[in-house]
Amino acid sequence: EPEVTQTPSHQVTQMGQEVILRCVPISNHLYFYWYRQILGQKVEFLVSFYNNEISEKSEIFDDQFSVERPDGSNFTLKIRSTKLEDSAMYFCASSVLRGGPPPEQFFGPGTRLTVL
Amino acid sequence: TQLLEQSPQFLSIQEGENLTVYCNSSSVFSSLQWYRQEPGEGPVLLVTVVTGGEVKKLKRLTFQFGDARKDSSLHITAAQPGDTGLYLCGVPFGNEKLTFGTGTRLTIIP
Repeated sequence: EPEVTQTPSHQVTQMGQEVILRCVPISNHLYFYWYRQILGQKVEFLVSFYNNEISEKSEIFDDQFSVERPDGSNFTLKIRSTKLEDSAMYFCASSVLRGGPPPEQFFGPGTRLTVL
Repeated sequence: TQLLEQSPQFLSIQEGENLTVYCNSSSVFSSLQWYRQEPGEGPVLLVTVVTGGEVKKLKRLTFQFGDARKDSSLHITAAQPGDTGLYLCGVPFGNEKLTFGTGTRLTIIP
């Protein structure tokens, strides 16, 4: 069964460093998303991406964050200069439909980012 | 103010018991989804409800959308250890994003 994959599973970085989190969405999906979950807190939406551009972003997704679909299969989240409060589980998701009934978003297993 | 409040936050019960968890809001939604998240994994969709008063069943799980489409409940009959997990309600907005509730962490004791 197709699934969303994410690498790495765990990333440890120093404060101020850049990190790139990678995702491979399900191949025929059109919408891509990033969410994060700080330990003990709820899952929060960061950004959605459709047709090679950002479709919507939350107030969390500031200038330190960027997303890219560099090669038609990968979907990346870059944090330019990490802060301690960026430590969280980052989930990538993808969905196939736009419009109509709310689509199912398929989530990856997550990347745990630890900023020291 | 939380858009989606879930209760209880934590629930620990014996195998075989029944339970109900809730998702409440003061806002009206066109649809609502329930997800389950297990440790080390992303959320997995269980059900989508779209009509006020709608009831959907998934084996021992019964989901109901409130008549006014502001709240929802999840009832589990004869809970099994495999039901253990974090249950999240979520509201899709314009097919662009999901806003999740605070979650109910359920533990079923064998």
